[in-house]
Amino acid sequence: GENVEQHPSTLSVQEGDSAVIKCTYSDSASNYFPWYKQELGKGPQLIIDIRSNVGEKKDQRIAVTLNKTAKHFSLHITETQPEDSAVYFCAAKRPLYGQNFVFGPGTRLSVLP
Amino acid sequence: EAGVAQSPRYKIIEKRQSVAFWCNPISGHATLYWYQQILGQGPKLLIQFQNNGVVDDSQLPKDRFSAERLKGVDSTLKIQPAKLEDSAVYLCASSTGWTDGYGYTFGSGTRLTVV
Repeated sequence: GENVEQHPSTLSVQEGDSAVIKCTYSDSASNYFPWYKQELGKGPQLIIDIRSNVGEKKDQRIAVTLNKTAKHFSLHITETQPEDSAVYFCAAKRPLYGQNFVFGPGTRLSVLP
Repeated sequence: EAGVAQSPRYKIIEKRQSVAFWCNPISGHATLYWYQQILGQGPKLLIQFQNNGVVDDSQLPKDRFSAERLKGVDSTLKIQPAKLEDSAVYLCASSTGWTDGYGYTFGSGTRLTVV
């Protein structure tokens, strides 16, 4: 089955700096990769996603890149702000299973003022 | 639009007791999911419903966990009897259907502590 790894597990950056979180997946048939942000006491919230036919996608300060050959994808946050502090999860969707996701273990991002 | 509603928010029970969680998905969402999130880990899918039918329950510990979605709307997840390792946040999510990413929304979860 699909396995998703995520690094680093914790990340601290100064406000205004960039943050990068990387994920790898094992099933080459996976075709959809969302990123979720989870704040304390809340459910995960989708922040950006990418499909396997696209190499890069950007939404304001957030971007995601996908390398299908290497089976890895990354989240890039620029000009970080204190409100970006949260736990971030990457996920991969297994084909033929609707929106049944396999999640990575998460990265705790701390943006220091 | 209203989000995915879950109750209760918190529950503390002793091991071997029973517990039930309730989820009300976004109106019109045909697909409903229950995830288990152990502290420090990513969510793990327990069961997926399409309307009131089960699509995937391969990771549901069926000897103690059960779930139902009557009338294709609300859903309940039950644990009987609970074990210490069941302590986790139980997240419910719903989506419009099979299309990637469209309307996939999580609730705030129920935090279960088994003592």
